[in-house]
Amino acid sequence: GAVVSQHPSWVICKSGTSVKIECRSLDFQATTMFWYRQFPKQSLMLMATSNEGSKATYEQGVEKDKFLINHASLTLSTLTVTSAHPEDSSFYICSALPGRRIYGYTFGSGTRLTVV
Amino acid sequence: DQQVKQNSPSLSVQEGRISILNCDYTNSMFDYFLWYKKYPAEGPTFLISISSIKDKNEDGRFTVFLNKSAKHLSLHIVPSQPGDSAVYFCAASLGGGTASKLTFGTGTRLQVTL
Repeated sequence: GAVVSQHPSWVICKSGTSVKIECRSLDFQATTMFWYRQFPKQSLMLMATSNEGSKATYEQGVEKDKFLINHASLTLSTLTVTSAHPEDSSFYICSALPGRRIYGYTFGSGTRLTVV
Repeated sequence: DQQVKQNSPSLSVQEGRISILNCDYTNSMFDYFLWYKKYPAEGPTFLISISSIKDKNEDGRFTVFLNKSAKHLSLHIVPSQPGDSAVYFCAASLGGGTASKLTFGTGTRLQVTL
């Protein structure tokens, strides 16, 4: 089946530094990928839609300059958390759709970011 | 504004019994609904879905029921197994089953006891 690989699975960084998270579709091409964020015991909140070769579409309330998204190829999207602060600590998950049917959404294994 | 809600944060069920997870939504334009299962530190995995033109969809031990007038859907797992212990999210979309954004509920943690 379709696989989405996300790296790293966890990262600890110092406040003020930037962290890059990668999301790769391993056996299919994805013109669109999605980035979610989950706080403990809360829902997965869509942050942005990553579009290959064009700018990402951000959800209301998500800072574009804070969460930089690059979708440079059909198999790779990256999320960079810039100037990270403790409140950015969260679980970040990407997903991609290897077809046209919505039930086919495949999620990465997520990245646990801790900012100290 | 939480458009998709799962009012029970947790549920405990004995092995072999039926697990019923509930989900309510407020946006009547949602036309496709999905259930996902999630383990800690992992991404969600798809379980079952239903289109708004149906009121029931069944796949093995999993059945999803949709009550559009009540804006309510439920996931039934029978018989429940210890391996079903996880967090379950319902999600809704506007795309009629094609690629579109998903709006997730807050999740229900299911624990199946021996």
